[in-house]
Amino acid sequence: SQQGEEDPQALSIQEGENATMNCSYKTSINNLQWYRQNSGRGLVHLILIRSNEREKHSGRLRVTLDTSKKSSSLLITASRAADTASYFCATEAYGQNFVFGPGTRLSVLP
Amino acid sequence: EPEVTQTPSHQVTQMGQEVILRCVPISNHLYFYWYRQILGQKVEFLVSFYNNEISEKSEIFDDQFSVERPDGSNFTLKIRSTKLEDSAMYFCASRGTGVSGNTIYFGEGSWLTVV
Repeated sequence: SQQGEEDPQALSIQEGENATMNCSYKTSINNLQWYRQNSGRGLVHLILIRSNEREKHSGRLRVTLDTSKKSSSLLITASRAADTASYFCATEAYGQNFVFGPGTRLSVLP
Repeated sequence: EPEVTQTPSHQVTQMGQEVILRCVPISNHLYFYWYRQILGQKVEFLVSFYNNEISEKSEIFDDQFSVERPDGSNFTLKIRSTKLEDSAMYFCASRGTGVSGNTIYFGEGSWLTVV
């Protein structure tokens, strides 16, 4: 299975701190994407990183991809209470569909 | 920004009833998907659809489920004879082609509660 696995399962930090979430997968992938989900809401696309890319930035978000270790990390800098959500990585292998990991529940405390 | 829209946002149905969940993908997108998320669990792939036919389906997507693109804009998921364990959030998604085709855009989801 190409399934992504995030860790930690849950993360609680203070507002202003950085939050780092990791994702590991098993097979070679075409790309990896991170999504955010507020409780009971839809999946919001954050960043896509392709297999030939190592790092991407978007605002306070920084994603890295290490294909040799089959892992990715999502860093949220200067976290805010509004960042409280579940974060999922989803991997896409060639010829296969998106597979989501179980997610990391991030709580940012004011 | 264009978005995927889903209706209804929440539906409560009696066990054994049929349910149709509707989705309007982003216009000019050609690939469509349904995913499911049981409360507190991960997002699971159900089915993908391209060129008016199913391109891939998971083991969850059995004969109880069907998808249809009845016109140029809607994409529906039908669940026949619903069971309690069908209670979940159902997400529709779509993607385009070319350089922008890698990103899959999801709707807000339809909460289905089977009682």
